[in-house]
Amino acid sequence: QVQLQESGPGLVKPSQTLSLTCTVSGASISSGGYYWSWIRQHPGKGLEWIGYINYSGTTYYNPSLRGRASISVDTSKNQFSLKLTTVTGADTAVHFCARGRWFGESQGMDVWGQGTTVTVS
Amino acid sequence: QSVLTQPPSASGTPGQRVTISCSGSNSNIGSNTVEWYQQLPGTAPKLLIYISNQRPSGIPDRFSGSKSGTSASLAISGLQSEDEADYYCAAWDDSMNGPVFGGGTKLTVL
Repeated sequence: QVQLQESGPGLVKPSQTLSLTCTVSGASISSGGYYWSWIRQHPGKGLEWIGYINYSGTTYYNPSLRGRASISVDTSKNQFSLKLTTVTGADTAVHFCARGRWFGESQGMDVWGQGTTVTVS
Repeated sequence: QSVLTQPPSASGTPGQRVTISCSGSNSNIGSNTVEWYQQLPGTAPKLLIYISNQRPSGIPDRFSGSKSGTSASLAISGLQSEDEADYYCAAWDDSMNGPVFGGGTKLTVL
C-alpha cells in the first residue's frame, strides 16, 4: 500500500523559504510511469498545482509562482522535497504531496498525503 | 481564478442523480483527458475518475464521467448523504505542462 507523508515547519516568516518533504512508502520514487507533485489549497479555496518531478528527474512548475518553486528528489531516502522562496501571506495554505500516474497520458493523482498547513507570518 | 470552470454549488436529494459540469479550453480538456476528485471536509482529495470515464478500484459505479470537446461532466446517481463533499475537475494543460483544476463544486445532499 503506497503512502505519502508530508513534513516540515508549520510556520514560516515572510521573505523566508518554505521547505517541505514528502516521504514515500510502499513504492519506489524511481519507478517509471509516475510523477511526484506538490499541490496547495489556500484557506477555503480550490486546489493549485505547484509543480512536479518525474521519475527521470525532470521538473515542471506552475508559471504563476514566477520561479520561486523548486522540487528535488532524494532516492536514497525515497523522498521528494519542495522549496518555495520569498514567501508572503499569500503562500499560507495546506500543502499536499501526491503521486501522479503517466502511462502515455495523465491518469490522475491516485495517492495523496494527508496535507500539512503552512502559515506565513 | 481557476483555469477550469465549475459551478460553485450543486445539490440533490437522496437517491437522485446530479451532474457537475467542467469547462476548459483547447489546451487542457480539448486535447487531454479529465480527472475528477472528491474532497471530504478536512481530508485530502481522492481520485474518482481518470481518463475522463475510468474509475479506480473501489470507486462505486454510481460515479461516472464524460467529456465532449472542451467540456466534461461528473454524474452521481443514487445520491447518498456521504457524497456530500467538494468535487474538483482537473486536466493536463499542454501550455503549462502540468495539471490545472476547476474551482470546485460543493455538493449538498438535502
